[in-house]
Amino acid sequence: QSVLTQPPSVSGAPGQRVTISCTGTSSNIGADYDVHWYQQLPGAAPKLLIYPNNNRPSAVPDRFSRSKSGTSASLAITGLQAEDEADYYCQSYDTSLSGYVFGTGTKVIIL
Amino acid sequence: QVHLQESDPGLVKPSGTLSLTCAVSGASISSSNFWSWVRQPPGRGLEWIGDLYRGLTSNYNPSLKSRVAISVDKSQIQFSLKLTSVTAADTATYYCARGSSSGSGVIYFDLWGRGTLVTVSS
Repeated sequence: QSVLTQPPSVSGAPGQRVTISCTGTSSNIGADYDVHWYQQLPGAAPKLLIYPNNNRPSAVPDRFSRSKSGTSASLAITGLQAEDEADYYCQSYDTSLSGYVFGTGTKVIIL
Repeated sequence: QVHLQESDPGLVKPSGTLSLTCAVSGASISSSNFWSWVRQPPGRGLEWIGDLYRGLTSNYNPSLKSRVAISVDKSQIQFSLKLTSVTAADTATYYCARGSSSGSGVIYFDLWGRGTLVTVSS
């Protein structure tokens, strides 16, 4: 059972904007720890989406952006494309668990 | 270009020991990175297992700490995972990954192996 909660799925039509929330507590996101985001395409390994300085790996388009406030974080995808259909995970650190934790994961569905 | 490749143990018997290695090419295990293991049970989410910093200092998920060990081999070109007393609940795809520090105390995994499915079954 993860301490970072994400919606099981979000959906949108091509070209639309979707956001994925990652809700934590005062022992992880609320403790001002960074939140990182990963995309996992079907049958593939996870891939980092955004570096801590908000730069993106070379293959990641600038349609992906992140934000954080209080005990929650969000990943926004603008201009949805078919290739964005994948699972997305947030990741942070939890002081109570003394370890790194991942979110429950969100499947993005392109309508 | 840095590349990570997991070994492929396939099937492990219940109560046995799961042993995996991750071959690192294009980088040094003694660099300032956290050489990590992450697993994913079929159809489920990701779980951090532990890491090895600069090939010297290990850090483990407290829920697995009593059963897990991560070490670097003498060649310094691969690191390994050993998980003892395995059960069906340990069936998962195991990924090795490179962790880098964000400066805020939270490492991020910027490079992953392809993963290897380990099944625990008699």
